[in-house]
Amino acid sequence: GAVVSQHPSRVICKSGTSVKIECRSLDFQATTMFWYRQFPKKSLMLMATSNEGSKATYEQGVEKDKFLINHASLTLSTLTVTSAHPEDSSFYICSARELVGGYTFGSGTRLTVV
Amino acid sequence: LAKTTQPISMDSYEGQEVNITCSHNNIATNDYITWYQQFPSQGPRFIIQGYKTKVTNEVASLFIPADRKSSTLSLPRVSLSDTAVYYCLVGDKPGSSNTGKLIFGQGTTLQVKP
Repeated sequence: GAVVSQHPSRVICKSGTSVKIECRSLDFQATTMFWYRQFPKKSLMLMATSNEGSKATYEQGVEKDKFLINHASLTLSTLTVTSAHPEDSSFYICSARELVGGYTFGSGTRLTVV
Repeated sequence: LAKTTQPISMDSYEGQEVNITCSHNNIATNDYITWYQQFPSQGPRFIIQGYKTKVTNEVASLFIPADRKSSTLSLPRVSLSDTAVYYCLVGDKPGSSNTGKLIFGQGTTLQVKP
């Protein structure tokens, strides 16, 4: 079946630094990828939709200059949390959608900003 | 996108059948119903998808009445490892031309006890 690899699985960074999270579709081409964040005991909140070769579409309330998304190829999308602060600490999850298939989720990235 | 409503939590015991019902009164003609399972610190995992009547796979059954305003996920003979959060989502069939965003509701936390 379709596999999405997300890296790193967990990262700790200092306030003010930037962190990049990678999402790769391993055995299929993902025309669209999605980024979510999830706080403890809460549901997944969609942050943005990224399409290969074009600018990401951000959900209302999500700062596009803080959460930079790049979808340079059909198998890779990256989320960069810039100038991270403790309130950015969360669980970030990506999802990749095949053209005629379903949605496959990555295993998530636990970000802790200290 | 159709909004879904599920019970916040459910308890069960090992070996029992568990039925989780989801309400989606505003489901559109083109919408499919999909259920995902999420374990702590992991991304959601696809369980089952359907459009109408009944769908069964190796892990679950999905019952959809004729008006499609609700659906019921049935897990036969649950075990401790089925303790997780279960999400019901409705949206366009993959491959359609729209944005295809998956919006998660609150989900149902299922606790299976020994």
